[in-house]
Amino acid sequence: DAKTTQPPSMDCAEGRAANLPCNHSTISGNEYVYWYRQIHSQGPQYIIHGLKNNETNEMASLIITEDRKSSTLILPHATLRDTAVYYCIVRGGSSNTGKLIFGQGTTLQVKP
Amino acid sequence: DAGVIQSPRHEVTEMGQEVTLRCKPISGHNSLFWYRQTMMRGLELLIYFNNNVPIDDSGMPEDRFSAKMPNASFSTLKIQPSEPRDSAVYFCASSLKRRLAGGYNEQFFGPGTRLTVL
Repeated sequence: DAKTTQPPSMDCAEGRAANLPCNHSTISGNEYVYWYRQIHSQGPQYIIHGLKNNETNEMASLIITEDRKSSTLILPHATLRDTAVYYCIVRGGSSNTGKLIFGQGTTLQVKP
Repeated sequence: DAGVIQSPRHEVTEMGQEVTLRCKPISGHNSLFWYRQTMMRGLELLIYFNNNVPIDDSGMPEDRFSAKMPNASFSTLKIQPSEPRDSAVYFCASSLKRRLAGGYNEQFFGPGTRLTVL
């Protein structure tokens, strides 16, 4: 599975959009981009995933660049409860094993 | 749906003792994953099962660790003998492995078991 690079931390004002970037320049054509988050002391929680088209669900939007080498997770109206570590993970493809390889993620601090 | 259930939620034991962590996956899911989280190493996959069969145990630290899945609704992770460096939060997750491209649906994680070995 391709490696991902994320900034270690970000701040966001409550009510504003939080845009979390992720670089995955070695992603292969049939690998998916997944986002999970982990709120303090809880298990990781699935947010969204995509292949090449932009995706949106009730939690967030995922924007994947045309070359698929990077993506952005957007929380449109961040709340204090969105404070968490956000993980960008690439997996799938021909060697799809179902394994999730967690990096260090981005710690998002939503401030009042 | 109750989600993934793990027990106990907290375990404190002494070095050398046997520790058994338990997991009940979401009904209908056919894949189960055990992870460990520490400050130093982050979240690590230890082992995972498909249809109750262990597929990849390359993340299991050493022979002191063993995992079983006797049926689709129950799995255990055992540490014998336990050591202080095993202190961590252990998460269990389950998902549905499909036959379509992409293969696996998202994983649902349990609340974790916080293990402290003195």
